[in-house]
Amino acid sequence: GAGVSQSPRYKVAKRGQDVALRCDPISGHVSLFWYQQALGQGPEFLTYFQNEAQLDKSGLPSDRFFAERPEGSVSTLKIQRTQQEDSAVYLCASSFRDISYEQYFGPGTRLTVT
Amino acid sequence: DQQVKQNSPSLSVQEGRISILNCDYTNSMFDYFLWYKKYPAEGPTFLISISSIKDKNEDGRFTVFLNKSAKHLSLHIVPSQPGDSAVYFCAASVTIKAAGNKLTFGGGTRVLVKP
Repeated sequence: GAGVSQSPRYKVAKRGQDVALRCDPISGHVSLFWYQQALGQGPEFLTYFQNEAQLDKSGLPSDRFFAERPEGSVSTLKIQRTQQEDSAVYLCASSFRDISYEQYFGPGTRLTVT
Repeated sequence: DQQVKQNSPSLSVQEGRISILNCDYTNSMFDYFLWYKKYPAEGPTFLISISSIKDKNEDGRFTVFLNKSAKHLSLHIVPSQPGDSAVYFCAASVTIKAAGNKLTFGGGTRVLVKP
């Protein structure tokens, strides 16, 4: 079956622009995670959804970051007024159950803020 | 404050030999540990995991060892193959009911298997 997909794969934004990153999880997966991976580092947790409920947003670095999953499937991560430090790969992952350790990752969206 | 650390940024090994990747953690609440493998321009893919109630888990060529007292885990790949060349991430999780299992990752170790 299809894996986790993300779009766009690459995004270049000028500082101050707003961006929206999309994640299509594996069909039927309850849990959805967003991670941020800076160059040369491991992924860092941003936020977690269980179906449409955002249960943990403790990793969002500022109030410029906003995520939603209104129907419990597709999710969008929005970054307002992008800054250079937002440049990173944004990874989406999904898992089948609410307690499921194995997460399936998408290929990521590489965001470059100039 | 890095809760999960991979102190070796890179590792080079000859095909057929053993690759040993190490990972240290500081949070004693972690109760599940995973290894992910990542190729360029792809997302991480799950490799193997271990619960904190075990000290070893084996899956084919891959074995993960957990030493809770030392807060240390390792991944052994035997025998190493050229297709194993990738970046390997150690990750850890705390089980919190109804709150998901967010992963805390180490910085990764780049493995190069030479033919």
